Amino acid sequence: AQSVTQLGSHVSVSEGALVLLRCNYSSSVPPYLFWYVQYPNQGLQLLLKYTSAATLVKGINGFEAEFKKSETSFHLTKPSAHMSDAAEYFCAVSLTGFQKLVFGTGTRLLVSP
Amino acid sequence: NAGVTQTPKFRVLKTGQSMTLLCAQDMNHEYMYWYRQDPGMGLRLIHYSVGEGTTAKGEVPDGYNVSRLKKQNFLLGLESAAPSQTSVYFCASSRLLNQPQHFGDGTRLSIL
Repeated sequence: AQSVTQLGSHVSVSEGALVLLRCNYSSSVPPYLFWYVQYPNQGLQLLLKYTSAATLVKGINGFEAEFKKSETSFHLTKPSAHMSDAAEYFCAVSLTGFQKLVFGTGTRLLVSP
Repeated sequence: NAGVTQTPKFRVLKTGQSMTLLCAQDMNHEYMYWYRQDPGMGLRLIHYSVGEGTTAKGEVPDGYNVSRLKKQNFLLGLESAAPSQTSVYFCASSRLLNQPQHFGDGTRLSIL
């Protein structure tokens, strides 16, 4: 069964510091991969998606993620954190065109001044 | 463009009461989903639908029923609410099964 693991339920950074949120999936087949963000009291919004066109995917709000097949990873990064980035981030994976998305358990990003 | 709209936004129920959560989407999506979100557990799929008139069980279907009589609407029912069903419920829709899902803002349900 496909699964997705997000390492770290909470990540704390200072404003201006690098943001790195980790996501690993279990599959021998390149999957469809997604990152979502959830702000307080809101639903999930799509940040970016990987669909095999390019290994480095750029999303909204300055975020990007790199697909590394050898590491089965799809980590989310942002060079410089902003206070408004404080939110919960979810990684999601689908192995084929006929499988639903499976969501990770989420990582809460805390940004301090 | 409203996207995915959930009603109500908040509700408090007593144990044993029943209620229906409504989800409406205006994007003509075939696929619709109901999730519950609990602290530390991420999103868990309750039921989903692959088209009008169809429904299927997800990861945690017990205690819930769903219906998709119209393509744009997906209803989630609790026949006899239990405190364990206290959660935030999200509806989502997508054009294809593995494509990005569009989420509503959630329904916060408390069962006393």
